[in-house]
Formats: sequence, C-alpha cells, structure tokens
Amino acid sequence: GQQVMQIPQYQHVQEGEDFTTYCNSSTTLSNIQWYKQRPGGHPVFLIQLVKSGEVKKQKRLTFQFGEAKKNSSLHITATQTTDVGTYFCAGQGTNAGKSTFGDGTTLTVKP
Amino acid sequence: GAVVSQHPSWVICKSGTSVKIECRSLDFQATTMFWYRQFPKQSLMLMATSNEGSKATYEQGVEKDKFLINHASLTLSTLTVTSAHPEDSSFYICSAVGKWGVGQYFGPGTRLTVT
Repeated sequence: GQQVMQIPQYQHVQEGEDFTTYCNSSTTLSNIQWYKQRPGGHPVFLIQLVKSGEVKKQKRLTFQFGEAKKNSSLHITATQTTDVGTYFCAGQGTNAGKSTFGDGTTLTVKP
Repeated sequence: GAVVSQHPSWVICKSGTSVKIECRSLDFQATTMFWYRQFPKQSLMLMATSNEGSKATYEQGVEKDKFLINHASLTLSTLTVTSAHPEDSSFYICSAVGKWGVGQYFGPGTRLTVT
C-alpha cells in the first residue's frame, strides 16, 4: 500500500532560524496536503498542492510539490514561537482514494 | 467557516461499556467524514471512511463490529466503541470534507479513557 514518509521527526531551532520538513511517497500522488497541529490541538488544514512542480507561499511558509509528484516540502523562513507544533503531510493517491498521513515533524522554537 | 465539532471532548468509561462519539460539521455539508486514532506524539491512524447514507469503509485491522460508525446525515457521523477495553483508550479524532473537496477539517478530538 501507499506509504508516506516524513523527515525529520523532530526539529529544534532558535527563533529566527529557518525550518524545513520533507515528505516522500512510495507512489505517485494526485495531490498532497499539509496540516499543522499545535500542542494539545487538532490538525488544521494549511494547503493543498496538485500540480507537478507547484510552489505555493503563505507568508513565511513555502510549500513545494516535486516534479514527479512523489515528494513535497514545507519551508518556514525565520521561525517564530508561534510556529511550534507538528506539521503533517498527507498524500492522496491517484485513485482518488483516502489520504495517507506522514508521521509528522514536530517543531520546537527556542526564543 | 468549515468548523467541525466533536462531542464529548473527553470521556472515562468502565471496561465492557460502550461509548458514542459524535462528529458534526457545523457550517457545511460533509460529503465524507473520516475517523482517526492518534496516540501520543504519533501520527493519525485512519480507522474508517464514512459517507452519508452508506456503510463505512474500514481500514485493515480495524474491527467493524467493535467500532460502529453511522453517518446519518451530511452533517453528522457517530463512532461507537463497543465493549470498550483499556487498550481502546486513545484520542479519537474525526475530520470532514466539504463539497469543495479540498482539505480535511478536523474536529477537536475526543480523549477516551477506559478503566
């Protein structure tokens, strides 16, 4: 079955440093979604990427979808303490079925 | 917009009893709802996919007779944990997808503790 791997599992940064999490699928994806879960909270939908090579930005967050539609990344520029949480990617297979979540990357930011 | 509620937010029950968890989309109609379990510091484990008016599709290894899912309307899905045991203790979280079809909107989750 489809597997979605996410690295790193944890990332500790100093406030102001950049952060990147990577997501890799074992199969070609129809789309990939990114979610953020704050400590004690529930996942919140951030964005969906659909096109090969797509790049989308949300303020300090940059999302990329690989050319082969099997990998994706989320990059945060100049992290802030409000960025703390776990970032999940979720890949939907080409059969338009359910999405498979990665294991998440937990970001901590030291002020 | 796209708000999903879950009730109760936490519940403690005795072993052998059943617990019902409700998931509601408050301001949109959900074509599909998903039920997940999440263990501490772990990812979301999909249990089942629920479509209004049809039987839920369960993931491999999830007992359909133990985790009963009813999707009665476009805004309500319920998960009933039957004959709960301590190993069923977990964080159960639902999500809903609207007709626009982009993104899952998660409820706040239900913390179940079985004693």
